Amino acid sequence: ETGVTQTPRHLVMGMTNKKSLKCEQHLGHNAMYWYKQSAKKPLELMFVYNFKEQTENNSVPSRFSPECPNSSHLFLHLHTLQPEDSALYLCASSQGGLRTGELFFGEGSRLTVL
Amino acid sequence: AQKVTQAQTEISVVEKEDVTLDCVYETRDTTYYLFWYKQPPSGELVFLIRRNSFDEQNEISGRYSWNFQKSTSSFNFTITASQVVDSAVYFCALSEGRSGGGADGLTFGKGTHLIIQP
Repeated sequence: ETGVTQTPRHLVMGMTNKKSLKCEQHLGHNAMYWYKQSAKKPLELMFVYNFKEQTENNSVPSRFSPECPNSSHLFLHLHTLQPEDSALYLCASSQGGLRTGELFFGEGSRLTVL
Repeated sequence: AQKVTQAQTEISVVEKEDVTLDCVYETRDTTYYLFWYKQPPSGELVFLIRRNSFDEQNEISGRYSWNFQKSTSSFNFTITASQVVDSAVYFCALSEGRSGGGADGLTFGKGTHLIIQP
């Protein structure tokens, strides 16, 4: 099993759809993250969860709703998205909560909003 | 505010050449952490190195080496004798000291697309 697994790898949705991205880490880490990677832009941190508690919300629109039921799973619920939300969404985890910078990333979920 | 600049959008070299990827950062903190990540075509970012602001020693790991210079706010990455498998997008990132090097504060550069031609 890879360390951080993301599903689905590719997702196409209309602006009125509701979908979810899933992330699972098998590394025993206690912090998980959602990043957005758009073309020609730096990676943008969206959300941070530490021991299942959300510790950062980087001014993300409410049409993105994270959920962290336990330290191993992280979801990103999507609702009423816009075409500009099309991007690669990367999940990551780290050990030691906020005291390490070594992130372990998944392969990403490529989202296309029509 | 912190900022990371990777001025080279794309670099293309022939295999076995040496190549240096530039990274310039801005921060007001005296304690901060610098990182390099590699993103191969498969998509996942792979951690390469973490450096704290108090350790200016250069580091070498196989064909990879890093040159950290506080005087110029740069943290450059050199690949010696490049190989086709080095082809990827490379990201430089910065974390300020308030988070103890924690990943919640990571600011990434836009990345440099490195193409190694056979």
